[in-house]
Amino acid sequence: AQKVTQAQTEISVVEKEDVTLDCVYETRDTTYYLFWYKQPPSGELVFLIRRNSFDEQNEISGRYSWNFQKSTSSFNFTITASQVVDSAVYFCALSEAFKDSNYQLIWGAGTKLIIKP
Amino acid sequence: DTGVSQDPRHKITKRGQNVTFRCDPISEHNRLYWYRQTLGQGPEFLTYFQNEAQLEKSRLLSDRFSAERPKGSFSTLEIQRTEQGDSAMYLCASSPLDRGLYEQYFGPGTRLTVT
Repeated sequence: AQKVTQAQTEISVVEKEDVTLDCVYETRDTTYYLFWYKQPPSGELVFLIRRNSFDEQNEISGRYSWNFQKSTSSFNFTITASQVVDSAVYFCALSEAFKDSNYQLIWGAGTKLIIKP
Repeated sequence: DTGVSQDPRHKITKRGQNVTFRCDPISEHNRLYWYRQTLGQGPEFLTYFQNEAQLEKSRLLSDRFSAERPKGSFSTLEIQRTEQGDSAMYLCASSPLDRGLYEQYFGPGTRLTVT
């Protein structure tokens, strides 16, 4: 069965610190996708990144970076030089194949990130 | 406004009443999803439409829940005989057909409180 674990329920750091959000997943599929979404206090989920199982290259987008390691089934998310606006709940998600080849997202429980000024 | 919209944003109802929520996806998106999110948890998949066809329903969707997308545009989610356990945020998302699940765009959600 597919499962996503975000062991960190809440992280609190001071602005400008770097912070890493952990995500560990379980799947028997050989082809799958991993995602990160941000949910600010307004409630709307914002797509951050998608990564497929065949691409283990790390990705950097501004202050955000992602480390995908199949060997440990992890897809961790790092924010460098954190800012107060980064405060939100961050979700990691895994795709699961529907029977008709469409995909369903399996979500972690989320990590609440608090950036203190 | 080109985002996903949901109406109402908040709904308070008494146990046993019926409620209906509406979702308007991004206009060119063929796929529409409904999720439920309770406090401190990630979203749970409820159901999924491709155009007007409802292609998948979760086991979470009891017979008190029904969803429609009659013309392949907006969708409604109805809960009959609401229970306190139905209190949650109901999220709608849409995605374009050619990108499948890859990027789902979420609406702001409808928060339901059943008293």
